[in-house]
Amino acid sequence: GNSVTQMEGPVTLSEEAFLTINCTYTATGYPSLFWYVQYPGEGLQLLLKATKADDKGSNKGFEATYRKETTSFHLEKGSVQVSDSAVYFCALWSNDYKLSFGAGTTVTVRA
Amino acid sequence: GAVVSQHPSRVICKSGTSVKIECRSLDFQATTMFWYRQFPKQSLMLMATSNEGSKATYEQGVEKDKFLINHASLTLSTLTVTSAHPEDSSFYICSVWDTGELFFGEGSRLTVL
Repeated sequence: GNSVTQMEGPVTLSEEAFLTINCTYTATGYPSLFWYVQYPGEGLQLLLKATKADDKGSNKGFEATYRKETTSFHLEKGSVQVSDSAVYFCALWSNDYKLSFGAGTTVTVRA
Repeated sequence: GAVVSQHPSRVICKSGTSVKIECRSLDFQATTMFWYRQFPKQSLMLMATSNEGSKATYEQGVEKDKFLINHASLTLSTLTVTSAHPEDSSFYICSVWDTGELFFGEGSRLTVL
C-alpha cells in the first residue's frame, strides 16, 4: 500500500540554521507529494507540493524536490526563523484519492 | 482555495453521551469531504470519506456505527461520535479537496471524561 516515512523529531535549531526533514514514500503509480505545516494552535496549511518527478516545490524559503529514483521528497530551508517553529507533515496523494500523512516532525527554532 | 470551518473547536462531554462535529465548506461546493483523526504527537489518520447524498466510505478499522457521518448538502458534513468513551478523545479534522490541494478545517478537540 501507499505510505510515507518521515524523519522523527523533535528537531531543535538555532535561528539562521539549515533545516532538513527527510521524507520517503512508497506508492504505486505516480503520486503527488505535499508538505503541510501546523503552527501551534492552528490547523494544517499547505506549505508546498510537487506533482511529478523532478518538480521542485517552494514556498516561504522552503524547498523540496520530487525524486522518483530515491522515492524522496526532503524538505529544506537554508536559514530558519523562530516563526518556523511548527509541526511539519509529509503527505502523499495517491491514485485511490486519499492523502496519506507521515508521522510529523516537530521543529523548534530558538532565538 | 476552499475555506473550511469546523464547529465546535473544543468540546468536553461525559462518557456515554454523543457529540456532533460540523464541517462547513464556506465558499466551495464539496461533493466529497474527508474526516481525519489526530492523536497527540501523532499523524493524521483518515477515518472516512464523506460523500454528498450517499453513504460515507470508512477506512478499515473505523467503526461506522460509532462514528456517524452525514453529508446532507454540498457545504456541510457532520461527524457524530456516539456513546463516546475516553479513548475517543482526540483531535478531529475535516478537509476538502479543491484544485489539486486539500484544505483543512481548524479541527475539533474532543475530550471525553
